[in-house]
Amino acid sequence: GAVVSQHPSWVICKSGTSVKIECRSLDFQATTMFWYRQFPKQSLMLMATSNEGSKATYEQGVEKDKFLINHASLTLSTLTVTSAHPEDSSFYICSARDLTTVSYNEQFFGPGTRLTVL
Amino acid sequence: SQQGEEDPQALSIQEGENATMNCSYKTSINNLQWYRQNSGRGLVHLILIRSNEREKHSGRLRVTLDTSKKSSSLLITASRAADTASYFCATDRQAGTALIFGKGTTLSVSS
Repeated sequence: GAVVSQHPSWVICKSGTSVKIECRSLDFQATTMFWYRQFPKQSLMLMATSNEGSKATYEQGVEKDKFLINHASLTLSTLTVTSAHPEDSSFYICSARDLTTVSYNEQFFGPGTRLTVL
Repeated sequence: SQQGEEDPQALSIQEGENATMNCSYKTSINNLQWYRQNSGRGLVHLILIRSNEREKHSGRLRVTLDTSKKSSSLLITASRAADTASYFCATDRQAGTALIFGKGTTLSVSS
């Protein structure tokens, strides 16, 4: 099946710094990628939809100036958490849609990135 | 925004027993999917059921979908300790849009 990778798998940073998380589709092209956030013992919450070559669409309540998303190619989307604070500590998961399975909307999820802000 | 609601929130059973989890959603859907997540790990896709399907099987898994009631159930038969995980249903309104996840059911299977 299609593979999505994320890098890094975990990161610890100091409050006020910025962190970049990469999401790559390894063996397929993805015009659309999605970013989710998951707090401990909670479900995944959609943060934004990342479209290749255009601006991301953010969900209500998600600050677009704080969570910068760039989808510069069909295989790479990045999420930058700017001026991170402890409340941004979470598990960030991306998913990518395979163009060939659009009718089934099968999405492939990355393994996640655990961010801890001290 | 949260689309689905699972119940129960937590379920504890013995090995060999069956586990049933339910999911309800609010709007019309394209399809519904079930995922498993082990603690602190990524998602594992279990099964996808399309909006025009009513039941689907995969190994020990059986999923039903009732679009008139906007609900789905996941049955795991002959559970094993390795089935211990959180289970989420996820829906999309139309093909190509984001999956929206339910709150999940935490399943604990003891040996």
